[in-house]
Amino acid sequence: LAKTTQPISMDSYEGQEVNITCSHNNIATNDYITWYQQFPSQGPRFIIQGYKTKVTNEVASLFIPADRKSSTLSLPRVSLSDTAVYYCLVGGRDDKIIFGKGTRLHILP
Amino acid sequence: ETGVTQTPRHLVMGMTNKKSLKCEQHLGHNAMYWYKQSAKKPLELMFVYSLEERVENNSVPSRFSPECPNSSHLFLHLHTLQPEDSALYLCASSQDRAGIWADTQYFGPGTRLTVL
Repeated sequence: LAKTTQPISMDSYEGQEVNITCSHNNIATNDYITWYQQFPSQGPRFIIQGYKTKVTNEVASLFIPADRKSSTLSLPRVSLSDTAVYYCLVGGRDDKIIFGKGTRLHILP
Repeated sequence: ETGVTQTPRHLVMGMTNKKSLKCEQHLGHNAMYWYKQSAKKPLELMFVYSLEERVENNSVPSRFSPECPNSSHLFLHLHTLQPEDSALYLCASSQDRAGIWADTQYFGPGTRLTVL
């Protein structure tokens, strides 16, 4: 099992760029890194997934250094509606993912 | 709307009742999952089915019984539950391509279960 560590909580302001870093020192060769967002009383929602280097989609970017022992989710110009819990998950064909406590992101006006 | 529906959305049951939770996915996926999320706790994986075969049973008590009759439907049968089983029960589906743990999971809205 690839264990992940991410900050318990973060605060930021509307319009700012938010970066949430996750460490996964024992990531396996075949593991992917996936981030989910969860609002209260709802199921998690997929944000982005990557294997190495940089991935960007319409809502976020994911930066993965060459050693893949960490990753950073970048949310550009956040709004109040981005207040949620963000989960970093690492898993692959033989490596089960585990949802940890995630990072509680609180966006302030 | 994620393409995964769950019914009922809310359920209150006594400890001696038998009830079932239903999940349906309209995404053509071949893997389905049950998770439990208690208040202020991380999601706990309960069961995983791939191609209608159970591939994961995460030490779940026998009072929870899953059923996957086809790749689009997943049930969780409940009997003689305890108050501590009150939680949000989430269903998810994925397309097993790179291994079920690497695939993107699409979650339903959940069933809020209260056991009295």
